[in-house]
Amino acid sequence: KQEVTQIPAALSVPEGENLVLNCSFTDSAIYNLQWFRQDPGKGLTSLLLIQSSQREQTSGRLNASLDKSSGRSTLYIAASQPGDSATYLCAVPKTSYDKVIFGPGTSLSVIP
Amino acid sequence: GAGVSQTPSNKVTEKGKYVELRCDPISGHTALYWYRQSLGQGPEFLIYFQGTGAADDSGLPNDRFFAVRPEGSVSTLKIQRTERGDSAVYLCASSSLAGGTDTQYFGPGTRLTVL
Repeated sequence: KQEVTQIPAALSVPEGENLVLNCSFTDSAIYNLQWFRQDPGKGLTSLLLIQSSQREQTSGRLNASLDKSSGRSTLYIAASQPGDSATYLCAVPKTSYDKVIFGPGTSLSVIP
Repeated sequence: GAGVSQTPSNKVTEKGKYVELRCDPISGHTALYWYRQSLGQGPEFLIYFQGTGAADDSGLPNDRFFAVRPEGSVSTLKIQRTERGDSAVYLCASSSLAGGTDTQYFGPGTRLTVL
């Protein structure tokens, strides 16, 4: 059974810092891995999707890496801004037709 | 519309009542998912539709929960004899491809409170 964990559960940093969020999964036979952002009381917004054959994906100040063999992914946020404050979740499907399993999320607070 | 929409945004009901939650996916998206999210947790998978059929309903907690997508577009999640433990935010997502192969686009959710 696939289990997804995220560390830390919460993180508070001053504006401008670079930071790393971690995601771990128990079954390395994944099809892809997706990072989402969730603002309070809102739905989820997809940030990055990494296919299983890829090592990383970049979008603006965000960079996500994937190491299938170790069951880990990291989301790197450069030069953090107060607007980055949100909960970040990672999610994996096992196959192209499998349900998606979410981690519990990391709550990020960027202090001005 | 431009995105996934869900109605109502909030629903308060009494224990034992029946509720329906609606999801309008992005036009043309064949895959539709329902999730349930409790406070402080990630979304928990409930059911996944590919077209009109439920491709995977293994996440439905019990037979009080049922979902339909009769025309392959709008979906309704139905909960019978609601219990206080059903209180959560119910999220809907749609995708242009099957399973988790493509980006899922989420709606804002319906916050269900069972008194």
